[in-house]
Amino acid sequence: GENVEQHPSTLSVQEGDSAVIKCTYSDSASNYFPWYKQELGKGPQLIIDIRSNVGEKKDQRIAVTLNKTAKHFSLHITETQPEDSAVYFCAASSPSWGAQKLVFGQGTRLTINP
Amino acid sequence: DVKVTQSSRYLVKRTGEKVFLECVQDMDHENMFWYRQDPGLGLRLIYFSYDVKMKEKGDIPEGYSVSREKKERFSLILESASTNQTSMYLCASSPGTGRHEQYFGPGTRLTVT
Repeated sequence: GENVEQHPSTLSVQEGDSAVIKCTYSDSASNYFPWYKQELGKGPQLIIDIRSNVGEKKDQRIAVTLNKTAKHFSLHITETQPEDSAVYFCAASSPSWGAQKLVFGQGTRLTINP
Repeated sequence: DVKVTQSSRYLVKRTGEKVFLECVQDMDHENMFWYRQDPGLGLRLIYFSYDVKMKEKGDIPEGYSVSREKKERFSLILESASTNQTSMYLCASSPGTGRHEQYFGPGTRLTVT
């Protein structure tokens, strides 16, 4: 089936600390896992993605890890800054769902406290 | 940069009205999508299209229809708006041919009274 669960729904961290958001997916055939950041009043923006043939991907302060056996993937943000405050969505795509369809998690509201 | 534009940022309509939401992308993308976003529910797919005049139902198509007459334009239609369709509507496009990343517009906040 098509299901992506995301936790936590809200996360508050001190500036400079790390933040981790986790997602689990149901379809073992899923092969693409993007993360989106949505700032207030804007549409979601792709920040990083990973494919199933890779276990980890980094881009400066953000990284994504994938555990295919456990069917979960995580977003890691290090050295958090106030501008990291936003709502973050994970998503998954499976060939069995058709036409590059994405199924999204419920979202995590991240707040960085100065 | 990919640009996805939506015709309105805010819209207020009455129950029973026919509502059109327009979306345009300027990067010759094959696929286009309509989502609604509600607190605690994430983004839920209403309809998508992988080619001109082609459409596929998403997870919550009831009460909606779509039109894709030109590659760059994808319209969402609420035939008879109801209060439970009050929501944020997001349009997205993706290149197709094995590329999954989706690019979103800024959204239309629709209120049905």
